[in-house]
Amino acid sequence: DAGVIQSPRHEVTEMGQEVTLRCKPISGHDYLFWYRQTMMRGLELLIYFNNNVPIDDSGMPEDRFSAKMPNASFSTLKIQPSEPRDSAVYFCASRMGGGRHTGELFFGEGSRLTVL
Amino acid sequence: SQQGEEDPQALSIQEGENATMNCSYKTSINNLQWYRQNSGRGLVHLILIRSNEREKHSGRLRVTLDTSKKSSSLLITASRAADTASYFCARSGSEKLVFGKGTKLTVNP
Repeated sequence: DAGVIQSPRHEVTEMGQEVTLRCKPISGHDYLFWYRQTMMRGLELLIYFNNNVPIDDSGMPEDRFSAKMPNASFSTLKIQPSEPRDSAVYFCASRMGGGRHTGELFFGEGSRLTVL
Repeated sequence: SQQGEEDPQALSIQEGENATMNCSYKTSINNLQWYRQNSGRGLVHLILIRSNEREKHSGRLRVTLDTSKKSSSLLITASRAADTASYFCARSGSEKLVFGKGTKLTVNP
């Protein structure tokens, strides 16, 4: 398997522009997670899905952020409008089910976002 | 917040020495996991220890868990320059994992 695939790897945009980050989880995994990593705050969980349904979006910073998972093999994280403080590395991760007790997470290589 | 702390924040050692990293947390857990992150890359799972386990080994890695003290440690024995990376513990109390801020390990050749 190719692992979790994220695109783009790098994105530089100007404040106010819309940003869309994409993720393809590992086939057969039914949980998908979006994390954001910064030096100041570390790794923060933004939102996660189970069987394509959003379960917990309490980590989404504000209404400018939205995430979708239209099918089992694709998810997007959208920021509109973007702001300089959104600059971070955004990771997508997936795992197999197994009930409430979470097992190993498989991470993508991340999307490094810079908002000027 | 469920976030705990890794300690130390940074560690620099010589090749061949052992490296010990600690992790503390605040709430009850089902399991605790350790991950590694090379610079500019995604996180990679190293080892998982369940709440009813006290110690686990995997190659040069040894993980301990003390649920009474809400703490865990990761020991890397006979370190190599290739072990240079950031190491994170992640607590699982439900369906999601909560990560600490990590320990940056540098192994000097």
